[in-house]
Amino acid sequence: GEDVEQSLFLSVREGDSSVINCTYTDSSSTYLYWYKQEPGAGLQLLTYIFSNMDMKQDQRLTVLLNKKDKHLSLRIADTQTGDSAIYFCAEAGGSYIPTFGRGTSLIVHP
Amino acid sequence: GAVVSQHPSRVICKSGTSVKIECRSLDFQATTMFWYRQFPKQSLMLMATSNEGSKATYEQGVEKDKFLINHASLTLSTLTVTSAHPEDSSFYICSAREGGGPVGNEQFFGPGTRLTVL
Repeated sequence: GEDVEQSLFLSVREGDSSVINCTYTDSSSTYLYWYKQEPGAGLQLLTYIFSNMDMKQDQRLTVLLNKKDKHLSLRIADTQTGDSAIYFCAEAGGSYIPTFGRGTSLIVHP
Repeated sequence: GAVVSQHPSRVICKSGTSVKIECRSLDFQATTMFWYRQFPKQSLMLMATSNEGSKATYEQGVEKDKFLINHASLTLSTLTVTSAHPEDSSFYICSAREGGGPVGNEQFFGPGTRLTVL
């Protein structure tokens, strides 16, 4: 199976919370990342979490890490239409080179 | 954050020709640059890692004679797709990193280059 897995699509209503889930296989992962890609653009690092942390919050974004289950999630509070994009989960070990999931397309509708 | 540019943003070429894509770090010196390939609805696939002044390290399955990478300076890396074929059509993204350890290990991504080979 793939090293980093995430569901391909998520649809939410504007104003609701979005939760994007990700699982990874490498138990030696040091950094877990969330990237955002808007249409036709490169990747933008949204946030990251060290493997020794359980949670990180940054304004509307909350990252939860369950290291035992190798499960990472990104919660976007008060989702806006401008949040519509593809969100990539990634993990990296000591080389700090991310291995990416296939991306989750978030669609926000009014 | 730091800015990475790519040129061109879109290129269409005929089968058998070579195409060069440039990746530049605009406001920092990139010790390491990375080249990725992205297929529709797929993840980014790391093709190669290049350090300034040394040969690129290619990932398994990537033909180094097909995808020539040059990292001649701390702000510029180029990817040349030689003798391009339709199956090389893809979205190519570069990224750049200033350092290699916990400090400065963040990768900054370029906007990508859409290559279409006819």
